Amino acid sequence: DAKTTQPPSMDCAEGRAANLPCNHSTISGNEYVYWYRQIHSQGPQYIIHGLKNNETNEMASLIITEDRKSSTLILPHATLRDTAVYYCIVRVGGGNAGNMLTFGGGTRLMVKP
Amino acid sequence: GAVVSQHPSRVICKSGTSVKIECRSLDFQATTMFWYRQFPKKSLMLMATSNEGSKATYEQGVEKDKFLINHASLTLSTLTVTSAHPEDSSFYICSARWDVRGEQFFGPGTRLTVL
Repeated sequence: DAKTTQPPSMDCAEGRAANLPCNHSTISGNEYVYWYRQIHSQGPQYIIHGLKNNETNEMASLIITEDRKSSTLILPHATLRDTAVYYCIVRVGGGNAGNMLTFGGGTRLMVKP
Repeated sequence: GAVVSQHPSRVICKSGTSVKIECRSLDFQATTMFWYRQFPKKSLMLMATSNEGSKATYEQGVEKDKFLINHASLTLSTLTVTSAHPEDSSFYICSARWDVRGEQFFGPGTRLTVL
């Protein structure tokens, strides 16, 4: 699976958009971009994933650059409960993906009042 | 849907004892489950891949005789930490891969403290 690079930490004001970047310059054509987050002392929570088109769900939006070498996770209106470590992971997706998720260091997002 | 539970959520044991941690997929079938370990302020590290009805695959450096994994059904995998020592104290997290969708869902984790 391709390696990802994320800033170790970011701050965001409550109510503002949080934009979390991720570089994955060695991503392969069949690899998806996944985002998970881990709130302190809990298991990781799936947020969103995409291949090349931008994606949006009730939690967040995912913007993938045209060359797919980087992406941005957007939390449109961050709340204090969004304080967590956010992991960007690239891997083969779909029903036959089978393989484990490889977690990097992630970005520790601190949402401040 | 897609809920994974772990039991217990927290356990304290004496050095030398064995501890069993259960991972259950509550509303989906999971042929494959994964066990991770996480030390304070560190990222998750994969320990092993558990497949229903067959032997687990361990990552390099993980002792299979110390961390026994049993995946007896499509909804249950267990991790037994044998002869636990203080250095085994950690946060253990499982994930289950939903057979139909292929996505992985994580349990809430088990905090093990070995005295």
